[in-house]
Amino acid sequence: QSALTQPASVSGSPGQSITISCTGTTSDIGSYNLVSWYQQHPGKAPKLIIYEVTEWPSGISSRFSGFKSGNTASLTIFGLQAEDEADYYCCSYAGNTLVFGGGTKVTVL
Amino acid sequence: QVQLVESGGGVVQPGGSLRVSCAASGFTFSNYAMHWVRQAPGKGLEWVTVTSYNGHEKYYADSVKGRFTVSRDNSQSTVYLQMHSLRAEDTGVYYCAKALGGSGNHLWSPLSWGQGTLLIVSS
Repeated sequence: QSALTQPASVSGSPGQSITISCTGTTSDIGSYNLVSWYQQHPGKAPKLIIYEVTEWPSGISSRFSGFKSGNTASLTIFGLQAEDEADYYCCSYAGNTLVFGGGTKVTVL
Repeated sequence: QVQLVESGGGVVQPGGSLRVSCAASGFTFSNYAMHWVRQAPGKGLEWVTVTSYNGHEKYYADSVKGRFTVSRDNSQSTVYLQMHSLRAEDTGVYYCAKALGGSGNHLWSPLSWGQGTLLIVSS
């Protein structure tokens, strides 16, 4: 199972919005609404911020928003804040397996 | 609150075996599926395996199938990952994670993660 494709890095200024894309195939993103997104700060465990494409776990800010169209999912961060600087990973169900993206480093300028 | 504590990592020679554990607390362990996800040093996340709430369903990544086995002891609120025929590419931090639910779609969303245990496969 190949990894999902994410841009290596995305940057933005405080207050701006950024979008991270995650491209898969008809075997994963394109066939299931089981896309999730994780935030990982350096040296820390990943944190679930979006599941089932658009849903927020308890306690997660609505500044994070998920979307899917065809084989591509995306995560938008509205009102970028310094604390959002981290690595972000998409993840999709792919038929009795999970596949992750390679990760995107978000830099707040 | 949910707490997951992994243990058992260490240095193992290629071809060796190791079992890592994850002790859970703060929730009804027997109601939730549990995942193992690993991360090689400086690299991204790689899903390894999941076991359903009762251990009846188990799924594995192709990269570990036939070498790794997941199990759980609901009476001890602990999930295990037994690893055999270890390779250098198995090196990394191994995280356990509690799923959103016990089965069905919610089985497939790792929600709460431990801090991980480091495995180094090297001679």
